[in-house]
Amino acid sequence: EIVLTQSPGTLSLSPGETATLSCRASQYISGGYIGWIQQKPGQAPRPLIYAASTRAAGIPDRFSGSASGTEFTLTISRLEPEDFAVYYCRQFGASPPCAFGQGTKLDIK
Amino acid sequence: EVQLVQSGAEVKKPGESLTISCKGSGYNFANNWISWVRQMPGKGLEWMGRIYPGDSDTTYSPSFQGHVTISADKSISTAYLQWDSLKASDTAVYYCARHSLDVWGQGTTVTVSS
Repeated sequence: EIVLTQSPGTLSLSPGETATLSCRASQYISGGYIGWIQQKPGQAPRPLIYAASTRAAGIPDRFSGSASGTEFTLTISRLEPEDFAVYYCRQFGASPPCAFGQGTKLDIK
Repeated sequence: EVQLVQSGAEVKKPGESLTISCKGSGYNFANNWISWVRQMPGKGLEWMGRIYPGDSDTTYSPSFQGHVTISADKSISTAYLQWDSLKASDTAVYYCARHSLDVWGQGTTVTVSS
């Protein structure tokens, strides 16, 4: 069973800075099965990135994803006030068919 | 527009049964897996299971197997999540989503309290 571990748990930054969020898989998984999701308080999750690096429709190019082995990274450049939220990585694959990391909370410093 | 619309909030007592729904539109509902995701108060996202409406093939997370039932009626493009006997620990927001997680429902809040 693949487990996703996100770090850090909380990241405190100021608008205009760059956020780097990490997601590590417990075993190799194709980047094609990794994505990132944003969730704001009281709202449904919103897809950001799929296949490790492809932005979902309507997602600004400040958001980018990358993959290296079992490490997956979400980078948010030039943070805007609306970017402060919780971010989850997720995988869908064979076992289990879907799983989420525990989330990283991006806080305004 | 591709969307999933979920049924409204529910308040139930322990031991009661409940079924919540998720209706798809704007795409071929039968040919796309639908997943259910739980979010307990103040916690993260947990994948519960999925169903392929075309043939009702279902997969459950081991954590939820036997505790809930996922079903679907492709004729009305609707998926369901069912409990036979609710517990207080079932209090959460439940989301349906296409299994690729590119489209999400708005969430259904379930509160179980005596």
